[in-house]
Amino acid sequence: EDQVTQSPEALRLQEGESSSLNCSYTVSGLRGLFWYRQDPGKGPEFLFTLYSAGEEKEKERLKATLTKKESFLHITAPKPEDSATYLCAVQGAGNMLTFGGGTRLMVKP
Amino acid sequence: DTAVSQTPKYLVTQMGNDKSIKCEQNLGHDTMYWYKQDSKKFLKIMFSYNNKELIINETVPNRFSPKSPDKAHLNLHINSLELGDSAVYFCASSLYRSSYEQYFGPGTRLTVT
Repeated sequence: EDQVTQSPEALRLQEGESSSLNCSYTVSGLRGLFWYRQDPGKGPEFLFTLYSAGEEKEKERLKATLTKKESFLHITAPKPEDSATYLCAVQGAGNMLTFGGGTRLMVKP
Repeated sequence: DTAVSQTPKYLVTQMGNDKSIKCEQNLGHDTMYWYKQDSKKFLKIMFSYNNKELIINETVPNRFSPKSPDKAHLNLHINSLELGDSAVYFCASSLYRSSYEQYFGPGTRLTVT
């Protein structure tokens, strides 16, 4: 059974204080690892897909990296508008997405 | 233009009732999904529907049934609602089933009293 664990559950940062979110996973036949952002009362919004260990992707202040056991979402100099819940998901051989519990990020001005 | 839309946004009903949630996508995607997000915010896949092929998460009770009138629509019917069905239900779509990002609707908050 595919499993995804995200840490920390919640993270408070000051504006400009860089940090990383962790996503540890076990999956049979990784087809892709996905990062999503979810704002309160809304559906998840797609951010990145990573397919193989060593791959990195960037978007504005966010950078996602992937190893064989975990993925990191690095946030550089965050702003209050980056506050949201960040979800990690893996797609294995069964083609279904398995989500982690998310990290709730709060960035204070 | 809304990519994935759901109706209603909120649904309050009593135990034992039957209800439906509608989902439409205008992205031309091939595959649609239903997810349940519980009070602890865990998102769990319920169904995947692609070209009339339905894949069901084995943990989903058979009171839940997806119905797809066409490629752009995937509705969720729930029979004999129970208190534990209270959650937020999300519809999503992707270009293909494998290795493609999914686009989510805004969610339907179902409350069973």
